[in-house]
Amino acid sequence: RKEVEQDPGPFNVPEGATVAFNCTYSNSASQSFFWYRQDCRKEPKLLMSVYSSGNEDGRFTAQLNRASQYISLLIRDSKLSDSATYLCVVNSADSWGKLQFGAGTQVVVTP
Amino acid sequence: DGGITQSPKYLFRKEGQNVTLSCEQNLNHDAMYWYRQDPGQGLRLIYYSQIVNDFQKGDIAEGYSVSREKKESFPLTVTSAQKNPTAFYLCATRSSYNEQFFGPGTRLTVL
Repeated sequence: RKEVEQDPGPFNVPEGATVAFNCTYSNSASQSFFWYRQDCRKEPKLLMSVYSSGNEDGRFTAQLNRASQYISLLIRDSKLSDSATYLCVVNSADSWGKLQFGAGTQVVVTP
Repeated sequence: DGGITQSPKYLFRKEGQNVTLSCEQNLNHDAMYWYRQDPGQGLRLIYYSQIVNDFQKGDIAEGYSVSREKKESFPLTVTSAQKNPTAFYLCATRSSYNEQFFGPGTRLTVL
């Protein structure tokens, strides 16, 4: 079983709509959680860290559910520029500082 | 202007050749990483270094080598022993908050 699993999508979203997707992780001892955004043929860029209490950054909201071992990302009022692959990232329990990356969820925002 | 630079952006290698990918950072981060990404796949860890003169194998180290003689630099050599080296190679550093930051990547193609 992979340490981090994501629905690959694509999630096709009309402009202005809301989209949400989850990521599950296998190791209950994981401590750090992040969402990264990756555009086609570019490097991943940090979108936001995910805190235990949940956090919001503009139109983006991240939640952590430790009991069920998943994190979520919600995008409100989707823009065309939100089209990208969103990577879920979790720290590895066997080595501090070694992160495990999900394969990504593709989001396509359409006019 | 702080950041991570990788060179070259594109690299073509003949079978049987060794090639070295450069990664330089001026973020003053101790930890540095090398990942490989194949089309439609997640990032896989090749090697990482948490401090100068020390490095550890990641999940797919076979056919690769690294050195960490300076804090700013973490070059990756792709040796002829790597059977399928065509991929997108990403270098990253890690902040004290466990966030990773990526360079722009090098696309390696074997001819």
